[in-house]
Amino acid sequence: DVKVTQSSRYLVKRTGEKVFLECVQDMDHENMFWYRQDPGLGLRLIYFSYDVKMKEKGDIPEGYSVSREKKERFSLILESASTNQTSMYLCASSKEGLNTEAFFGQGTRLTVV
Amino acid sequence: DAKTTQPPSMDCAEGRAANLPCNHSTISGNEYVYWYRQIHSQGPQYIIHGLKNNETNEMASLIITEDRKSSTLILPHATLRDTAVYYCIVRVATNAGKSTFGDGTTLTVKP
Repeated sequence: DVKVTQSSRYLVKRTGEKVFLECVQDMDHENMFWYRQDPGLGLRLIYFSYDVKMKEKGDIPEGYSVSREKKERFSLILESASTNQTSMYLCASSKEGLNTEAFFGQGTRLTVV
Repeated sequence: DAKTTQPPSMDCAEGRAANLPCNHSTISGNEYVYWYRQIHSQGPQYIIHGLKNNETNEMASLIITEDRKSSTLILPHATLRDTAVYYCIVRVATNAGKSTFGDGTTLTVKP
């Protein structure tokens, strides 16, 4: 069974903290994605990566950075967490090529207090 | 990517077919229609996709109109476990799986 695993289901952090959200996939996929999901706004793409050490900004990259040092791992970093970054964060991966479907992790619900 | 319009919510009786509509009137010739669903507290799950022909797999059928401006996802025998938010997405084949998810349709299957 294909798997995208996010390191935490629930996380509570304080304003100003540096936060790392980790995602690992076991499918040898080239592409990996970070989305955030908020009520009324749907899923919005933060960053994606199409290869190791490669990254591209999505629709809402401000306040976030990413790291992809190994093919199977994609990290989302909040340099200085703020309350407006309280959200559900979803990681996904997909194969390179045409018409690839994305496989999603279970999500991390982050609360910044 | 083309914008899609879906009804915010629908109900369906258990065991009956659930027909979920999606309007994508600005779809381009090289854009595919994808459907995902998200069961509460889980990440989205891929269901099916198509270009212009009708498609069927073990989960659902996808009917795309001849002018490709709308489509319908059909769950032939809905069960309580099909209660979820269903997302219709339109995107080109080459965008590496990036997708724009709107609000989707909340399908509630009732006993």
